[in-house]
Amino acid sequence: DAGVTQSPTHLIKTRGQHVTLRCSPISGHKSVSWYQQVLGQGPQFIFQYYEKEERGRGNFPDRFSARQFPNYSSELNVNALLLGDSALYLCASSLGPDGSSGNTIYFGEGSWLTVV
Amino acid sequence: AQSVTQLGSHVSVSEGALVLLRCNYSSSVPPYLFWYVQYPNQGLQLLLKYTSAATLVKGINGFEAEFKKSETSFHLTKPSAHMSDAAEYFCAVSVGELTGGGNKLTFGTGTQLKVEL
Repeated sequence: DAGVTQSPTHLIKTRGQHVTLRCSPISGHKSVSWYQQVLGQGPQFIFQYYEKEERGRGNFPDRFSARQFPNYSSELNVNALLLGDSALYLCASSLGPDGSSGNTIYFGEGSWLTVV
Repeated sequence: AQSVTQLGSHVSVSEGALVLLRCNYSSSVPPYLFWYVQYPNQGLQLLLKYTSAATLVKGINGFEAEFKKSETSFHLTKPSAHMSDAAEYFCAVSVGELTGGGNKLTFGTGTQLKVEL
């Protein structure tokens, strides 16, 4: 079975540009979350979507937005890119809405974004 | 709000020695606790999780962790280190849907484990 898949794996953007990152959850999973991992730090929560509704938002500026599609895949959009947005962006999926006993949270390999 | 503190950003052990990675959490409600491992240039792989059942949790690759409420700790151990264990390890906490936490994981800053011959 395919795990969480993310695209693209690597990309380079210029300051001020826009980027779209894509995530396909594990088949049957209805929750998708996005995390930003800056080099040398732990991942930071950006968004969670469950059943196509936003369930949580981290402390990120409005330049960051996301959505979940009817097939439960998701996009993360970042506008007006800054050098500080350079990071590994991780997508995670799970069956249910939280980290309870029957709900394991699986991560993808991530999308490496470099802003120059 | 919940938080996690990982003591020691770098830990070095000899192959065959005990691995102990420390994690302390802060949460106003009963937490779910997780350990993830990250190999270079890869995503996160779940090692184990605590969700209010048994306090001693066994995970993959011989790792285990014990939830100690009185110490607010969830330390990760492995009796005998292997070279393949060299990676970065993250402790994370979640408080769940019913308490408004949803799927949000709050991660520690990570511990880089080095295994030497």
